[in-house]
Amino acid sequence: GAVVSQHPSWVICKSGTSVKIECRSLDFQATTMFWYRQFPKQSLMLMATSNEGSKATYEQGVEKDKFLINHASLTLSTLTVTSAHPEDSSFYICSARDTAGGTKETFYGYTFGSGTRLTVV
Amino acid sequence: GQSLEQPSEVTAVEGAIVQINCTYQTSGFYGLSWYQQHDGGAPTFLSYNALDGLEETGRFSSFLSRSDSYGYLLLQELQMKDSASYFCAVRARNYGGSQGNLIFGKGTKLSVKP
Repeated sequence: GAVVSQHPSWVICKSGTSVKIECRSLDFQATTMFWYRQFPKQSLMLMATSNEGSKATYEQGVEKDKFLINHASLTLSTLTVTSAHPEDSSFYICSARDTAGGTKETFYGYTFGSGTRLTVV
Repeated sequence: GQSLEQPSEVTAVEGAIVQINCTYQTSGFYGLSWYQQHDGGAPTFLSYNALDGLEETGRFSSFLSRSDSYGYLLLQELQMKDSASYFCAVRARNYGGSQGNLIFGKGTKLSVKP
């Protein structure tokens, strides 16, 4: 089945440093990848949509200069949290949409990575 | 805009049946899906309804009524491992040729007691 590999699974960094999170579709091509953020006991909120070869589209309230997204290939998207602060501590999850459409069993192509727990100290 | 409403918490005992409701408001409808998320984990796809009616997948079933903008997830023969958060989700309307993202409800925390 469709698998999305997300690394690292957890990271602790110092305030002011940058962290890169990688999301890779292993056995399918993903023209579109979505990045979500989830604070404790809350829902998943879309941060941005990245399309291969073009600039990401950010949701209202998400700083594009702080959360840099690169989607350079059909299987890889990265999210870099720049100058991280404690309020950026959260669970970040990517979701890759199968270009071929996927199957009903994956809700027609939405496959999630395993998530990255970011703690900024 | 698009929004989904579901109860914040539900408690049930092992072996029981529990129903988690979801009402939605969308501009365009592309199906209702359900995800399970254990603490610290990523969402796991459970079920999907595009048309009215009941979809059964083992102990889990999902129902949709498009005329009522309503659906539910039914969990039968509850087990302790079913303790998790459950999210309903819809697809956002596609725009500009891009694929619509998923919009999630706030989640229902299910606690299964012995």
